[in-house]
Amino acid sequence: GQSLEQPSEVTAVEGAIVQINCTYQTSGFYGLSWYQQHDGGAPTFLSYNGLDGLEETGRFSSFLSRSDSYGYLLLQELQMKDSASYFCAVRAAVENTGRRALTFGSGTRLQVQP
Amino acid sequence: GAGVSQSPSNKVTEKGKDVELRCDPISGHTALYWYRQSLGQGLEFLIYFQGNSAPDKSGLPSDRFSAERTGGSVSTLTIQRTQQEDSAVYLCASSYSGGSNIQYFGAGTRLSVL
Repeated sequence: GQSLEQPSEVTAVEGAIVQINCTYQTSGFYGLSWYQQHDGGAPTFLSYNGLDGLEETGRFSSFLSRSDSYGYLLLQELQMKDSASYFCAVRAAVENTGRRALTFGSGTRLQVQP
Repeated sequence: GAGVSQSPSNKVTEKGKDVELRCDPISGHTALYWYRQSLGQGLEFLIYFQGNSAPDKSGLPSDRFSAERTGGSVSTLTIQRTQQEDSAVYLCASSYSGGSNIQYFGAGTRLSVL
C-alpha cells in the first residue's frame, strides 16, 4: 500500500513564503500531485511532478526527490485567499490490477494571517 | 458539462434509510472516481470506473455501498441501511482517462445520518 505524511497545520503571514512538505512510502511510484481545497469547496489540481526537480506555476512551485521519497509545495507572496487545505497525492501502481491510482495525504491546513 | 456536477449538495437521512448520490462527470472524461472525506480528513478512495472495464471496487468499506455508471457517463453511489459513521462528504472526480495525472472534482454531497 501507500502512505503519505504531511504537517496538519501551517500558519504564515501575508507576503511570506511557506513550504509544505510531503513524504511518502509506496511501490510502483509514478508521480506526486498537489491539490488545494478551500473550506466547503472541491479539491482543485495545483501541480504534478513525475520527475525529480522543481515545477513552477506562478506563485506556486512543487519539488520532487524520488530518491528521498519526498516532495514539497512552495507558496510565495502569500495572500489571504491562499488559506485552504493542501493535499499531496501519490500516483502509484495498485497491486494485481495494473492500475495507477491516486492516494491522498491527510492534508495541511494553511492559515494566512494579515 | 463545464465541470463535475454532484447532487444533492446536502442530504440528511435517518439511520437505516438508503441514499443515492449522483455524479455527472465532465463530458468526454472516461474515468470516474468516488471518494469519501470525513471532517478535517483526507480523501478516502471508494471506487473507480474506466470506460467499459469492470470497476475497481477495492475501496468500498462494506457491502452496503455500491455504485454504477450508466452509459459511460453519469454515476450513482448508493448506500443502503445508512449508519451514523457514513456521515461525510462524498466527492466525485473525473479525468480524461485513467492515465491522466489531473482529476477534476465536484463540490461533493454532504451526507448527514441522524
